Amino acid sequence: KNEVEQSPQNLTAQEGEFITINCSYSVGISALHWLQQHPGGGIVSLFMLSSGKKKHGRLIATINIQEKHSSLHITASHPRDSAVYICAVSSGGSQGNLIFGKGTKLSVKP
Amino acid sequence: NAGVMQNPRHLVRRRGQEARLRCSPMKGHSHVYWYRQLPEEGLKFMVYLQKENIIDESGMPKERFSAEFPKEGPSILRIQQVVRGDSAAYFCASYAGVGANVLTFGAGSRLTVL
Repeated sequence: KNEVEQSPQNLTAQEGEFITINCSYSVGISALHWLQQHPGGGIVSLFMLSSGKKKHGRLIATINIQEKHSSLHITASHPRDSAVYICAVSSGGSQGNLIFGKGTKLSVKP
Repeated sequence: NAGVMQNPRHLVRRRGQEARLRCSPMKGHSHVYWYRQLPEEGLKFMVYLQKENIIDESGMPKERFSAEFPKEGPSILRIQQVVRGDSAAYFCASYAGVGANVLTFGAGSRLTVL
């Protein structure tokens, strides 16, 4: 069993839909990261959080430390949100010593 | 602020050659991380460096791979005697340190071994 599990693996949505991507982890963590990898391969860090909730534009990330679970929500989805979303955790080591999930491939249709 | 710069973006090597990948962190960032993304696989941590020091190399293959971050210049990931299995995307990320709340990634270097 992977230490970081994401669901779903693939997600297709219509433009405007509310999207949720889930991440569960089985190790103790100091922080959880949500990353976005574009079709061209570049990676953008969306959020780093260790508790509660963060919001940036149409993106919201939440984390429940007791349940070892995080969600990434996208409101009013748009085709430009199409990308792979990756959950990663810092566990015991430095902030960047990350254990990555396999990613959720999101496709938003116009 | 140019962000994290990686070069080359694409590198082709024949088996047995050496590959050198460079990463210049964001201005003011003294922490550099390298990651590898094999085809159809997830990202994996390789090594964490600060200026002139390797802090954590627990993800580095035991042979042929080395990394440095000299006092002056970029961090370098060096792969000696490359094999086809080294073909992957190699990303670096930089971090300002304790209290910072984001990692900044480079665009990646894609190594193809023929």
